[in-house]
Amino acid sequence: SQLAEENPWALSVHEGESVTVNCSYKTSITALQWYRQKSGEGPAQLILIRSNEREKRNGRLRATLDTSSQSSSLSITATRCEDTAVYFCATAYNYAQGLTFGLGTRVSVFP
Amino acid sequence: NAGVIQTPRHKVTGKGQEATLWCEPISGHSAVFWYRQTIVQGLEFLTYFRNQAPIDDSGMPKERFSAQMPNQSHSTLKIQSTQPQDSAVYLCASSLGASQNTLYFGAGTRLSVL
Repeated sequence: SQLAEENPWALSVHEGESVTVNCSYKTSITALQWYRQKSGEGPAQLILIRSNEREKRNGRLRATLDTSSQSSSLSITATRCEDTAVYFCATAYNYAQGLTFGLGTRVSVFP
Repeated sequence: NAGVIQTPRHKVTGKGQEATLWCEPISGHSAVFWYRQTIVQGLEFLTYFRNQAPIDDSGMPKERFSAQMPNQSHSTLKIQSTQPQDSAVYLCASSLGASQNTLYFGAGTRLSVL
């Protein structure tokens, strides 16, 4: 079973609008990461947020982490067509285990 | 920095043949990860090495799959007696340390088993 899970499965927005992807995870964590994968490429990290952080920003991206509800969100403001991709959250039980990914949320941004 | 390099980009094998996939991590990175990606299963963790030693192989199928890291500059994933269900994109990633660090992925090898 998945250690982390994104929702919704897919989202569509028009350029300039904001979009939010949610993630729920199953165990206590030391950090959670958000990745983006564009067609034909490997995933690329967007944000790493540690368990003692509640919010982290990277340009138009904002990630939140709520350890009490074991959930995280990734918001993108002023979306562009090039933000079209699959977005994953990823985490690990501990440092000795591999990073596991959710199934992803497919975000489509239309002109 | 060329990033993580995976070769070949595409590989086609016949059922029952062997496939070897190569990964060159980013220089200076001590950890290498292998993943398999399909539409149905998503990104599945297979195995990872740190300082060339296997750390977690909990995702590796027990039969036919093996991974090695003979030196710090490359890792291989070998699939013996390939089956159609092995068809997937195999992704390699490297990082400076443990899995809680940023993973840098290669573009992947698309394996098609006919």
